Amino acid sequence: DAGVTQSPTHLIKTRGQQVTLRCSPKSGHDTVSWYQQALGQGPQFIFQYYEEEERQRGNFPDRFSGHQFPNYSSELNVNALLLGDSALYLCASSLLATNEKLFFGSGTQLSVL
Amino acid sequence: AQSVSQHNHHVILSEAASLELGCNYSYGGTVNLFWYVQYPGQHLQLLLKYFSGDPLVKGIKGFEAEFIKSKFSFNLRKPSVQWSDTAEYFCAVNDGSSNTGKLIFGQGTTLQVKP
Repeated sequence: DAGVTQSPTHLIKTRGQQVTLRCSPKSGHDTVSWYQQALGQGPQFIFQYYEEEERQRGNFPDRFSGHQFPNYSSELNVNALLLGDSALYLCASSLLATNEKLFFGSGTQLSVL
Repeated sequence: AQSVSQHNHHVILSEAASLELGCNYSYGGTVNLFWYVQYPGQHLQLLLKYFSGDPLVKGIKGFEAEFIKSKFSFNLRKPSVQWSDTAEYFCAVNDGSSNTGKLIFGQGTTLQVKP
């Protein structure tokens, strides 16, 4: 039973570029949440997707957008990258109906130069 | 707004010592509380959670936590730590009326256990 998988594991971009990160949820899960974890900090909630719609959103600018596909996988897009966007981006999946615990992926380490 | 504060940023213990990591949260309503652990090179995983009922909750690997509502605290404890407990520990909270997706995390405590 595959857990949460994220790709790529590492990414280097320059300021102003755009990036897309991908996440496949744990088998049987229907909800995907994205978090940003800066160095030395705890994860910060970006948004959550369920039924291909953004269900909840944290305090992040519109440069951060996402998508969920019919197979429940998800993408996180960040436009006009800033140096401060350098962080570990975590995807977590869950099953909305049962209020089940979150399962986290290993993350994508994004470096913006 | 909700917030979580972890008092200890870096803790160093010898094996067999007792552990207590502090966690306080700021929120006036019903909350769900969590402790997550991240072992070196691994992903975040749930140690234990509190939704309701007995305020003393037991998790995996001998960890437990006590919810004290009057103190807005959810401290993590283990009577005797092992070298394998070396990891980063995160306390988290969410609104008790929502699902578990939107968690507010503390900044984490790095635990180093010396053999």
